Amino acid sequence: DTGVSQDPRHKITKRGQNVTFRCDPISEHNRLYWYRQTLGQGPEFLTYFQNEAQLEKSRLLSDRFSAERPKGSFSTLEIQRTEQGDSAMYLCASSGLAGGPSSTDTQYFGPGTRLTVL
Amino acid sequence: AQSVTQPDIHITVSEGASLELRCNYSYGATPYLFWYVQSPGQGLQLLLKYFSGDTLVQGIKGFEAEFKRSQSSFNLRKPSVHWSDAAEYFCAVGAPPGRRALTFGSGTRLQVQP
Repeated sequence: DTGVSQDPRHKITKRGQNVTFRCDPISEHNRLYWYRQTLGQGPEFLTYFQNEAQLEKSRLLSDRFSAERPKGSFSTLEIQRTEQGDSAMYLCASSGLAGGPSSTDTQYFGPGTRLTVL
Repeated sequence: AQSVTQPDIHITVSEGASLELRCNYSYGATPYLFWYVQSPGQGLQLLLKYFSGDTLVQGIKGFEAEFKRSQSSFNLRKPSVHWSDAAEYFCAVGAPPGRRALTFGSGTRLQVQP
């Protein structure tokens, strides 16, 4: 396994358009996370899945954002009616071996998708 | 709520010199602490982590960090910096039981002079 992968790596879109990003976690991991990172800042948590269940959402995740993980494997993050303020790096991470201790999870990050909204 | 402060936005060191990056956290219980490194345009790579036990933890690429509960600190150190260490470094604190979100500091950008 080569780690967490994300597609696309870069996306340029016009304000008002919808975009969708994909994340493929490390295959044996059952937890998946989305973060957003703006220029000069650390990543900020958006949402978290355990298997297919979305267990936590940040207040940063407005109604225009939706995330899914339909079969407990890959995940998608969709942003509807994009705004210039959505321009950021969107990072995906995975963790958690099924049946393993959850309290000492280590999150492994993908390369990110850089979104530019014109 | 937990928080992380990285007081130094930008640090420049000479190649071969020692390095210490500061991290202070705020959290009510025993924290889970992490250091990640990010090269330009890339994702985050885990350097090391602290969950419990020995307060001096060793990581990859010759890095180490020391957890000091009395000072609420988890500073990252390296005895001799290489030019390839130039990157952005993020300290993060793990969430309480029942939450999974990591809280990150705003990062320290390391520049290495030849």
